[in-house]
Amino acid sequence: AQSVTQLDSHVSVSEGTPVLLRCNYSSSYSPSLFWYVQHPNKGLQLLLKYTSAATLVKGINGFEAEFKKSETSFHLTKPSAHMSDAAEYFCVVSQNTNAGKSTFGDGTTLTVKP
Amino acid sequence: GAVVSQHPSRVICKSGTSVKIECRSLDFQATTMFWYRQFPKKSLMLMATSNEGSKATYEQGVEKDKFLINHASLTLSTLTVTSAHPEDSSFYICSAKRTGVETQYFGPGTRLLVL
Repeated sequence: AQSVTQLDSHVSVSEGTPVLLRCNYSSSYSPSLFWYVQHPNKGLQLLLKYTSAATLVKGINGFEAEFKKSETSFHLTKPSAHMSDAAEYFCVVSQNTNAGKSTFGDGTTLTVKP
Repeated sequence: GAVVSQHPSRVICKSGTSVKIECRSLDFQATTMFWYRQFPKKSLMLMATSNEGSKATYEQGVEKDKFLINHASLTLSTLTVTSAHPEDSSFYICSAKRTGVETQYFGPGTRLLVL
């Protein structure tokens, strides 16, 4: 069994300030973890992924996440928010099998204020 | 690489009609495709897992006779919403995986409105 909890449904930051989106997970297996971003009325774009290699993962657009097994967390960060970062963010856990299902968190809406 | 397309992007239909949505992996072979449904301001709900050449596996509570899934080739899966009703209106998103790769690549989604 696996589950994902995104601890904040909404996060609001000012442009140029750091972003922190929190994600905790549980999994019976050694999981793969992902962060996706979804802009309004669009599909999902992969930001970054952890698949049992380096625990600090760098993604696109300046985002990064750190896999902490002891804390079962995979928080997403960015040093300086841009207006274009405003979107919905999903943390996803997946089984490491070919047909492994993915479980999505409920999402965090990021608002960036000018 | 790893581009997934969906067609159509938006469809409006009358109640009682059937609608087919296509999901294609454009530059890779997708042994597994997934179909999701997303309600406004909600997360994605997995509807079914589709493996090429075999029957789809539906999640609990999803009517397989209403949501027909076909995965006839390694690059194409289709979702047919049969006898659509207004409550079927939603954003439908597909994703595709390659063998041995954990990452899912998502299509841009199809917005269905049933009048």
